[in-house]
Amino acid sequence: DGGITQSPKYLFRKEGQNVTLSCEQNLNHDAMYWYRQDPGQGLRLIYYSQIVNDFQKGDIAEGYSVSREKKESFPLTVTSAQKNPTAFYLCASSVVQGDQPQHFGDGTRLSIL
Amino acid sequence: GDSVTQMEGPVTLSEEAFLTINCTYTATGYPSLFWYVQYPGEGLQLLLKATKADDKGSNKGFEATYRKETTSFHLEKGSVQVSDSAVYFCALTYSSASKIIFGSGTRLSIRP
Repeated sequence: DGGITQSPKYLFRKEGQNVTLSCEQNLNHDAMYWYRQDPGQGLRLIYYSQIVNDFQKGDIAEGYSVSREKKESFPLTVTSAQKNPTAFYLCASSVVQGDQPQHFGDGTRLSIL
Repeated sequence: GDSVTQMEGPVTLSEEAFLTINCTYTATGYPSLFWYVQYPGEGLQLLLKATKADDKGSNKGFEATYRKETTSFHLEKGSVQVSDSAVYFCALTYSSASKIIFGSGTRLSIRP
């Protein structure tokens, strides 16, 4: 079955450390997205990409970085510059045509040690 | 700019009660509207959608009608079950857009 796989499900980061969250999709979607969700809050867009080797900042890109070297993969790095990284991170994908729904992975929960 | 406003939760109902979760939107054009559902510890799943005025989206007993005159897309279900306990997000996007605008989510809890 096609879908989006996020790994790991739980991740712990030490102070000053960079960590990378994985997102892989086999839906043949061109567009991919990263969101941050805080407890009791909605989704905030971190980065998105509509095509390989291109990506745009979302609403809260500071302290994060991404790459899009393959259509299937859109990893997110949470850098040490992100001072409050504890959150639930969701990856999504869609066809490029904007009024199509996004498909979501099951998320990665990042905590600070 | 465009935005989505949902009723604040949590909403707590007894099993078999009637459910309404309000959603209103502000849009400069003619967006498509969605309801997503998020079960605990999981990602979001598309529940239903409507792409033009007066369209009714439906799935799993849930319904929502795209009301252009009131800029609303309220989610309804005639008889809720404990398994419907989740967070529900209303959202909008455009055919020309590269992003979806989400509401803040409404947590629904159903008592047996």
